[in-house]
Amino acid sequence: EPEVTQTPSHQVTQMGQEVILRCVPISNHLYFYWYRQILGQKVEFLVSFYNNEISEKSEIFDDQFSVERPDGSNFTLKIRSTKLEDSAMYFCASTGEVTDTQYFGPGTRLTVL
Amino acid sequence: QKEVEQDPGPLSVPEGAIVSLNCTYSNSAFQYFMWYRQYSRKGPELLMYTYSSGNKEDGRFTAQVDKSSKYISLFIRDSQPSDSATYLCAMIRPSGTYKYIFGTGTRLKVLA
Repeated sequence: EPEVTQTPSHQVTQMGQEVILRCVPISNHLYFYWYRQILGQKVEFLVSFYNNEISEKSEIFDDQFSVERPDGSNFTLKIRSTKLEDSAMYFCASTGEVTDTQYFGPGTRLTVL
Repeated sequence: QKEVEQDPGPLSVPEGAIVSLNCTYSNSAFQYFMWYRQYSRKGPELLMYTYSSGNKEDGRFTAQVDKSSKYISLFIRDSQPSDSATYLCAMIRPSGTYKYIFGTGTRLKVLA
């Protein structure tokens, strides 16, 4: 069964450093999403991406965040200058049709020291 | 008022019990309703996806939607210790790219 994959599973970084979180969505999907879940809190929408551009973003997704689909398979989330409060699980999701189920990856746990 | 409210639990039940998990929502524009299961430090895994009011059954799981009351439920029959996880409700507000709005999740523990 096709699945969304994410790398790395755990990323530790120093405050102020840049990190890139990587996702490989399901191959025939067209809509891509990043969500964040701070430990013990709810899953929160960050950004959606369709047709090589951002479709929608939340207030969390400020100028330090960016997304990119550099080739036909990868979908990345970059955090330019990490802060302590960026420590969270980051989930990538994809779907074929916008009203269809979103399939989630296993997540990348980001720890900012 | 939060868009989606869900009791965080924890909820502890004996093996074999029927579990009832619930979410309420405030925005009548929500149209699609999902239940996800999330094991510790893993990604959400879809359990049920419903659109209309009524019941939808899949094995031991039944999802119920009452749009008039803005209330959704997930029932788990014959609960097993392997059902111990956090259960997230999620809804789609049909605007933009149909992003998911999640509840906080209910932590369930099924005791052997």
